[in-house]
Amino acid sequence: AIQMTQSPSSLSASVGDRVTITCRASQGIKNDLGWYQQKPGKAPKLLIYDASRLQSGVPSRFSGSGSGTDFTLSIRSLQPDDFATYYCLQDYNYPRTFGQGTKVEIK
Amino acid sequence: EVQLVESGGGLVQPGRSLRLSCAASGFMFDDYAMHWVRQPPGKGLEWVSLISWNSGSRGYADSVKGRFTISRDNAKNVLYLHMNSLRVEDTALYYCAKDLAAFGIAQLDYWGQGTLVTVSS
Repeated sequence: AIQMTQSPSSLSASVGDRVTITCRASQGIKNDLGWYQQKPGKAPKLLIYDASRLQSGVPSRFSGSGSGTDFTLSIRSLQPDDFATYYCLQDYNYPRTFGQGTKVEIK
Repeated sequence: EVQLVESGGGLVQPGRSLRLSCAASGFMFDDYAMHWVRQPPGKGLEWVSLISWNSGSRGYADSVKGRFTISRDNAKNVLYLHMNSLRVEDTALYYCAKDLAAFGIAQLDYWGQGTLVTVSS
């Protein structure tokens, strides 16, 4: 199975900061990657698919980039509503695999 | 409005079986692949299984392969997860989720609220 390694596992940031989260695949996955946001007690929410396509209704301060093995999720100007845990998910092959998550906390 | 409502969770002893259901509405259920994803308490997400729109393709996580079976009833708009030989480590909140791509398999754009499965003696 493809391993997805996210970094960092957690970070502290302030409102207005730019935040970058990375996800590295153990083998090339083209651009078959998505990013999700999860808040406590809630189901995950799709933010980005195909590595860089913004899901409908997601604010434009979120962006994704990368292909092959290295991917990033960026949040431009962090908002109070963005404090959550973020996960990547590869859809290149079976079994699908998530990264271990990155918790974004308030500094 | 897309709605996914899971049911069937509960407390079960190790080695026993359980069947989860996910009732779907608000979209053309038979056009989309469907997934199960689980989350142990306080831990991260684990993808469990998927089934294509026409049941022609199914995939499983290594941790459940041979024990869990995914199925769907397109006439009833219901997704199932049949779980056999349950283990303590299967304890988790189980989500069903809809695939983003019609007649394809991609990311997961709508999720239910989950049903809790607890495996304990």
